[in-house]
Amino acid sequence: DTAVSQTPKYLVTQMGNDKSIKCEQNLGHDTMYWYKQDSKKFLKIMFSYNNKELIINETVPNRFSPKSPDKAHLNLHINSLELGDSAVYFCASSQSFGIRETQYFGPGTRLLVL
Amino acid sequence: AQTVTQSQPEMSVQEAETVTLSCTYDTSESDYYLFWYKQPPSRQMILVIRQEAYKQQNATENRFSVNFQKAAKSFSLKISDSQLGDAAMYFCAVASGGGSEKLVFGKGTKLTVNP
Repeated sequence: DTAVSQTPKYLVTQMGNDKSIKCEQNLGHDTMYWYKQDSKKFLKIMFSYNNKELIINETVPNRFSPKSPDKAHLNLHINSLELGDSAVYFCASSQSFGIRETQYFGPGTRLLVL
Repeated sequence: AQTVTQSQPEMSVQEAETVTLSCTYDTSESDYYLFWYKQPPSRQMILVIRQEAYKQQNATENRFSVNFQKAAKSFSLKISDSQLGDAAMYFCAVASGGGSEKLVFGKGTKLTVNP
């Protein structure tokens, strides 16, 4: 009965490949997020979707494309992977969009680009 | 833009003792929310405690409490009766409006609990 789940947990791939990370939440939340945590543990938001609509799109290379097929899912596709994409990617969700909302995080996906 | 500063990259505490983790933030908004998240070695980000800026009373959750000093823009986390399971990275975060309703994190403090 995991609240926010991500697959896969680990991803090792070669430079130039395309990969996807999937996220699902069973909390009935309207808003979902993608964060990137770099090697120094700094956590920064990448995208946010509310009711399947993109509402936050930080300065992220357009090789990164989020997709929300429904409110419970937010996937992250990355094209032409680069060494600098190596990081831990976290999905999160909240009841709705807004500053008062607590975000609940998934377990993270560790991506290693060789 | 909002910023969060955690000035202690690492802290250590003896089991059963009390430790305080520092956090200062900056935002030009009057309405904002503050959070402490814990990230144990398992990598899972877990909410520890949250504080609404308009509430003067400091938030408390069991052994965790905050010292919220609004004028000083300070939001420290106190952990009482530290346990081995408290060992983790602790992240302070702020969410404020003004068209940028996003959660901004500090760089974290690594807490070690010594038996």
